[in-house]
Amino acid sequence: RKEVEQDPGPFNVPEGATVAFNCTYSNSASQSFFWYRQDCRKEPKLLMSVYSSGNEDGRFTAQLNRASQYISLLIRDSKLSDSATYLCVVNVIMTTDSWGKLQFGAGTQVVVTP
Amino acid sequence: GAGVSQSPSNKVTEKGKDVELRCDPISGHTALYWYRQSLGQGLEFLIYFQGNSAPDKSGLPSDRFSAERTGGSVSTLTIQRTQQEDSAVYLCASSWTSGRDEQFFGPGTRLTVL
Repeated sequence: RKEVEQDPGPFNVPEGATVAFNCTYSNSASQSFFWYRQDCRKEPKLLMSVYSSGNEDGRFTAQLNRASQYISLLIRDSKLSDSATYLCVVNVIMTTDSWGKLQFGAGTQVVVTP
Repeated sequence: GAGVSQSPSNKVTEKGKDVELRCDPISGHTALYWYRQSLGQGLEFLIYFQGNSAPDKSGLPSDRFSAERTGGSVSTLTIQRTQQEDSAVYLCASSWTSGRDEQFFGPGTRLTVL
């Protein structure tokens, strides 16, 4: 089983609509969670961190469910410029005395159409 | 401030030649990571540095791949006797410390082995 799993999509979303997708992780000791965005042929860029209580950044809302070990990203009022691949990132603890390392999911592709 | 820089941005080489890729992390970042990404694929972790030491080399695909970091700053990834399957984008990232902090990516080096 992969440590971080995402639905690859694509999620085809009409402009102005809402889209949401999840990411599951296997390491229950994980402490840090992020969503990154990657545009075609570009490097990944941090979109937002994910906090235990959930957090918003403009049209983007991230949630963490520790009991079920998943994080989610919701995009409201989708714009054409939101078309990208969204990478779920979780830190994976390797040993009891290690801070672990970030594990990147393979990404969920979102395509916003006019 | 300056972000992560990588050079060259593009490298075309012939099968069997050695190549050296360079990464200059964000000033003050102690952790440095190398990934590679083939077209349409997710990130593949290669190696991670904490300062000048490499606690995790688990992702290096073969002994043709090596990396070093000097002065806790610049890192070079060397691929010896390149093969066509080495063709990919090689991404470098840095973070303040390791394991839990968000990583900031450079623009990558696109390597093509003919």
